[in-house]
Amino acid sequence: EDQVTQSPEALRLQEGESSSLNCSYTVSGLRGLFWYRQDPGKGPEFLFTLYSAGEEKEKERLKATLTKKESFLHITAPKPEDSATYLCAVRSNAGKSTFGDGTTLTVKP
Amino acid sequence: GAGVSQTPSNKVTEKGKYVELRCDPISGHTALYWYRQSLGQGPEFLIYFQGTGAADDSGLPNDRFFAVRPEGSVSTLKIQRTERGDSAVYLCASSPRDTGLNEQFFGPGTRLTVL
Repeated sequence: EDQVTQSPEALRLQEGESSSLNCSYTVSGLRGLFWYRQDPGKGPEFLFTLYSAGEEKEKERLKATLTKKESFLHITAPKPEDSATYLCAVRSNAGKSTFGDGTTLTVKP
Repeated sequence: GAGVSQTPSNKVTEKGKYVELRCDPISGHTALYWYRQSLGQGPEFLIYFQGTGAADDSGLPNDRFFAVRPEGSVSTLKIQRTERGDSAVYLCASSPRDTGLNEQFFGPGTRLTVL
């Protein structure tokens, strides 16, 4: 059974304090790993897709990396507007998507 | 353009009742997905449509849950004999087609409360 574990469950940072979120996964044939951002009361918003180990993608203050066992979402000099829940999901070769429970990030000004 | 819309935004029902949740995907998107999200958890896959047919319904928890997409656009998730454990946010997502690597565009969800 595919599994996705995200850590920490919650992270509180000061504005400008860089950090990383972890997504560990086991999957029977990885087709792709996805990062989403979810604000309260809204649906997830797509951030990145990573396809293979060693791949990196960046968007503004966010950078996602992928190894064979885990993915990291690095946040550089975060701002209060980066506060949200960040979700990681894997898509297996069989086609099924499995989400982690997310990391809730709070950035204090 | 318009994003994925879901109606109603909130639904309160009594145990044992029947409910229908509607999803309007982005125009032209052929792939449509339903998920269920409980408080503090990530979305849980329910069913995926490619066009009018259910390509994968392995996530439906039991035969009380059923979904249709008769014309390949709007989809309806139907829940019979609702139970308190069905209370959750039901999310719908769409994408232009399903390649296994495609971005999914999510709606705001329907919050279902079963009393």
